[in-house]
Amino acid sequence: AQSVAQPEDQVNVAEGNPLTVKCTYSVSGNPYLFWYVQYPNRGLQFLLKYITGDNLVKGSYGFEAEFNKSQTSFHLKKPSALVSDSALYFCAVRDPNKAAGNKLTFGGGTRVLVKP
Amino acid sequence: EPEVTQTPSHQVTQMGQEVILRCVPISNHLYFYWYRQILGQKVEFLVSFYNNEISEKSEIFDDQFSVERPDGSNFTLKIRSTKLEDSAMYFCASSERTGGINEAFFGQGTRLTVV
Repeated sequence: AQSVAQPEDQVNVAEGNPLTVKCTYSVSGNPYLFWYVQYPNRGLQFLLKYITGDNLVKGSYGFEAEFNKSQTSFHLKKPSALVSDSALYFCAVRDPNKAAGNKLTFGGGTRVLVKP
Repeated sequence: EPEVTQTPSHQVTQMGQEVILRCVPISNHLYFYWYRQILGQKVEFLVSFYNNEISEKSEIFDDQFSVERPDGSNFTLKIRSTKLEDSAMYFCASSERTGGINEAFFGQGTRLTVV
């Protein structure tokens, strides 16, 4: 069964500093990986995905993520964090062996707090 | 930008009552989903729906739950007899293609409180 782990419940960073949110996964075969962000009282917003190809994926709002197969990781990064990046971030994996459906398995979420 | 919309944003119901949560997916999407998030816990998959039938469901999605696409635009989740442990945020989502590696777009959620 597929699973996702986000080892940090919360990440604190000063505005302007680099931001990293960690994610590791477990799935048989090559994974499909996603990052979503949830702002207060809002739904989950898609940030980026890795399907195949270049290990560095660029997404919305200046975020990027690096797929590392040997470490089974897909860490989310932003070179210079903004106060407005403060939110709850979810990593998710989809089983590529599933022929139908698009079930996502989510990590527990990491709360990011960017301080001015 | 097209979006998934859910109504109501918050529903309070008494234990044992039936509730229907409503969603309008993005219009050209073909796959529809329900997820839920109990307070402080992970977002959990409930069910996916394609071509007017359930394509996948989790162990959470028992006989108390049902989904329906009553017309060309709405997608509903019904809980027949609510329990206290059904209290959660319920998210509807939709995606563009069957089996495609397309991201799911989520609604803003319905917070269900069972008292």
